[in-house]
Amino acid sequence: GQQVQQSPASLVLQEGENAELQCNFSSTATQLQWFYQSPGGSLVSLLSNPSGTKHTGRLTSTTVTKERRSSLHISSSQTTDSGTYLCAIDRSQGGRALIFGTGTTVSVSP
Amino acid sequence: EAAVTQSPRSKVAVTGGKVTLSCHQTNNHDYMYWYRQDTGHGLRLIHYSYVADSTEKGDIPDGYKASRPSQENFSLILELASLSQTAVYFCASSQLFSQNTLYFGAGTRLSVL
Repeated sequence: GQQVQQSPASLVLQEGENAELQCNFSSTATQLQWFYQSPGGSLVSLLSNPSGTKHTGRLTSTTVTKERRSSLHISSSQTTDSGTYLCAIDRSQGGRALIFGTGTTVSVSP
Repeated sequence: EAAVTQSPRSKVAVTGGKVTLSCHQTNNHDYMYWYRQDTGHGLRLIHYSYVADSTEKGDIPDGYKASRPSQENFSLILELASLSQTAVYFCASSQLFSQNTLYFGAGTRLSVL
C-alpha cells in the first residue's frame, strides 16, 4: 500500500537555526499536506502543497511530485516550533482521507 | 474557526467491555474521520464517512465500528475492547471540494486494562 516516510526521525536545534524536514511517498499524490502536532498532542494543518513551492510565515514547503518528495524548511527556529511535524498524502483507494508519515520530532532549545 | 469536539478526553476501559468515543463538528463539513495514533506508527485511518448514515472502512477497521447519525456527529465503537486498542484516537473533519484540510479534535486517550 501507499507509504509515507519522513526523515530525520528527530532533530535538535538551537534557537535561530534553520531546519529541513523531508517527506518521501511511494505513489503519486494529488494532495500533500504538512501538519504540526504540539507536545500536548493537538494537531493543526500548516499548509497544503501538492506541487511547487509554498510559503507561510517562516515555513517553506517544496514538493517535486514526479520525484515523490516534499520538504519543509523552518527558518530562524523558535522554541515554540518544538513539536512533531507530520507529512500526509491522499489515499489512492478512494475516499479523501490522508495517509500520514510517522513524523519528525523537532526540539528547539533557547 | 472550525471546531471538532471529542468526548471523553480520556477513558480507562476493561478488556471485553464496550467503549464509545464521540465526535461533534460545527464546521458543516461533509467528511469525518477516525484515526488512531500509536508510537512508531503515526496516525492510521480506522473509519471515515462522507455523508450521514454511511460509513467506510479505513486501513485498520478490524475491531471497530463507526456510526454517523447526522452530519455533525461521528462515533467510534469498540464492542469488545482489547489491550491492543490502547492508543490516542483523533477525530477530524474536512470539506468536500476543498484542499481537504483536516481539522482535528483534541484527541481521546484510551487505556484498556
